[in-house]
Amino acid sequence: KAGVTQTPRYLIKTRGQQVTLSCSPISGHRSVSWYQQTPGQGLQFLFEYFSETQRNKGNFPGRFSGRQFSNSRSEMNVSTLELGDSALYLCASSPLGTTTEAFFGQGTRLTVV
Amino acid sequence: GDSVTQMEGPVTLSEEAFLTINCTYTATGYPSLFWYVQYPGEGLQLLLKATKADDKGSNKGFEATYRKETTSFHLEKGSVQVSDSAVYFCALRDLSGGSNYKLTFGKGTLLTVNP
Repeated sequence: KAGVTQTPRYLIKTRGQQVTLSCSPISGHRSVSWYQQTPGQGLQFLFEYFSETQRNKGNFPGRFSGRQFSNSRSEMNVSTLELGDSALYLCASSPLGTTTEAFFGQGTRLTVV
Repeated sequence: GDSVTQMEGPVTLSEEAFLTINCTYTATGYPSLFWYVQYPGEGLQLLLKATKADDKGSNKGFEATYRKETTSFHLEKGSVQVSDSAVYFCALRDLSGGSNYKLTFGKGTLLTVNP
């Protein structure tokens, strides 16, 4: 079974631009979550989607948004990029909404210059 | 709110040494507990989990026991290998009330094993 796939793996953007990251969950998984990983703040929860609905959102500004499609694939978007948005963005999928395991992709390394 | 505290390290050991990484948690409900491992340049891999008190999770020689009385989930391995060098994260997921689906992570512990 294929794992969680995130694209692209690496991205370099300029301040003020916007970016879209993509995540394809494990087949059959309907819950997708996003996390930001930085050396200073560690792993921080961004948001979680289940059946195209956002169920939970972390403490991030409105520049961070996401969505989930009917095939469970998810995208996250960051608008008006800031230097501090440079991070590893990780996507995780879970089999069902209330199952506890989460399986992570390899992440997208975003660098804002 | 929920939180996880783990020893931050770094931890440096010789091959075949005994490993313990401490992890304690606070949670409003009854969480499931996890250890994840991250190798350089990679995402997180689930190492082991426990979903109720006194459960022992185990995988690849690593073990951790869910201790509700001490709110702890310490990771142990009897004999580490060079290939175990990585960052280890303790995490919890509390589904109490049905409204919290996020994982809460500790800050991670960098383990380096020397030959």
